[in-house]
Amino acid sequence: ETGVTQTPRHLVMGMTNKKSLKCEQHLGHNAMYWYKQSAKKPLELMFVYNFKEQTENNSVPSRFSPECPNSSHLFLHLHTLQPEDSALYLCASSQDRETGGGGYTFGSGTRLTVV
Amino acid sequence: AQSVTQLDSQVPVFEEAPVELRCNYSSSVSVYLFWYVQYPNQGLQLLLKYLSGSTLVKGINGFEAEFNKSQTSFHLRKPSVHISDTAEYFCAVISSGSARQLTFGSGTQLTVLP
Repeated sequence: ETGVTQTPRHLVMGMTNKKSLKCEQHLGHNAMYWYKQSAKKPLELMFVYNFKEQTENNSVPSRFSPECPNSSHLFLHLHTLQPEDSALYLCASSQDRETGGGGYTFGSGTRLTVV
Repeated sequence: AQSVTQLDSQVPVFEEAPVELRCNYSSSVSVYLFWYVQYPNQGLQLLLKYLSGSTLVKGINGFEAEFNKSQTSFHLRKPSVHISDTAEYFCAVISSGSARQLTFGSGTQLTVLP
């Protein structure tokens, strides 16, 4: 258990479905992140939240919609995805956006397959 | 802007042999450096980090890394690997500038052979 919990661990969804990924941390961190990890590609930062405010959106398609209701929870809402969106989605947290020394704590990820 | 280069995408090594995974970074300001490990179907786990002070950093599972500022490197080493060390290893950097974003290298797959 890393302190960052992601659910579900695996998700298979059709291209017309709507689903949500959930991330929860109880480390007292104030920054949370979504990363996408595709086979043979570097980790891609998708979204950043700092003190519940979205501070970065790295040109992510609108079919991915993040939500951060409080500093402990982060969601990624998915709709009308494409097969190329199949990947491991990782959530991470850190003390805050400005404090770099602690590094990030990662969850175990959600393995998403779009069919 | 900061970037991280992991020079080897795959490193096969026999059990009990030493291993070095190479990492070079570029940044115009001072940096914090990290190594993460990812086992199959899992998230990333912090192995070790360099923030300041001694350039030789020891981490979990017998790994260590040495920060070399002149060569802008942060290579990861282990004197004797085990089968259980088979995993993907990521080097990452955060610069001390205003955009404290963790930037990852592309990863090195370490495969320990019996």
